Amino acid sequence: NAGVTQTPKFQVLKTGQSMTLQCAQDMNHEYMSWYRQDPGMGLRLIHYSVGAGITDQGEVPNGYNVSRSTTEDFPLRLLSAAPSQTSVYFCASSYGDRGQLDEQYFGPGTRLTVT
Amino acid sequence: DQQVKQNSPSLSVQEGRISILNCDYTNSMFDYFLWYKKYPAEGPTFLISISSIKDKNEDGRFTVFLNKSAKHLSLHIVPSQPGDSAVYFCAASAISYNTDKLIFGTGTRLQVFP
Repeated sequence: NAGVTQTPKFQVLKTGQSMTLQCAQDMNHEYMSWYRQDPGMGLRLIHYSVGAGITDQGEVPNGYNVSRSTTEDFPLRLLSAAPSQTSVYFCASSYGDRGQLDEQYFGPGTRLTVT
Repeated sequence: DQQVKQNSPSLSVQEGRISILNCDYTNSMFDYFLWYKKYPAEGPTFLISISSIKDKNEDGRFTVFLNKSAKHLSLHIVPSQPGDSAVYFCAASAISYNTDKLIFGTGTRLQVFP
């Protein structure tokens, strides 16, 4: 099992550009989520999904879109990148029905810089 | 307002000794707590959890203690090994209040030296 994979590992964007961060998992987990990690702050939830076709907002959803067309994939779209979106982004999945409260499996992260 | 605080950004411990990582919370509704550890260039991995109906949970070398009256939890690693060098995050939630919101602390970097 590859677990949770994320691409790309690094990305530099100019302000106003858009892009999609890819996330895939091969563990057949229903719950998937996106977090951002910033210096001096804990992980913060951006969006999450409890299954294919179902998504919802987390703590910091502004400027991001998600969709969940399959169980395996959960891409995160930046609509118009801003310097405030410079961060490390983690995708995670879990097998239980308690979402974040179950053991989550994290991807290796994408380091995004917006200039 | 940081509801989950890890006031020590870093900790250095000799191999074989005990490592104690601390976490304080301000929200008295929190009743479920988790610890994750993170190596550089990797995502966090789940370590251990504890519910507020317990005051201790143990898994091998890792033990988490919960002091509800002090709103404080601690992770003990005994004995510490160089492979334990990582950043440790605590996280809290209020399960009994029908929320699945999880609040993470800012992390403590543990270095275990030979």
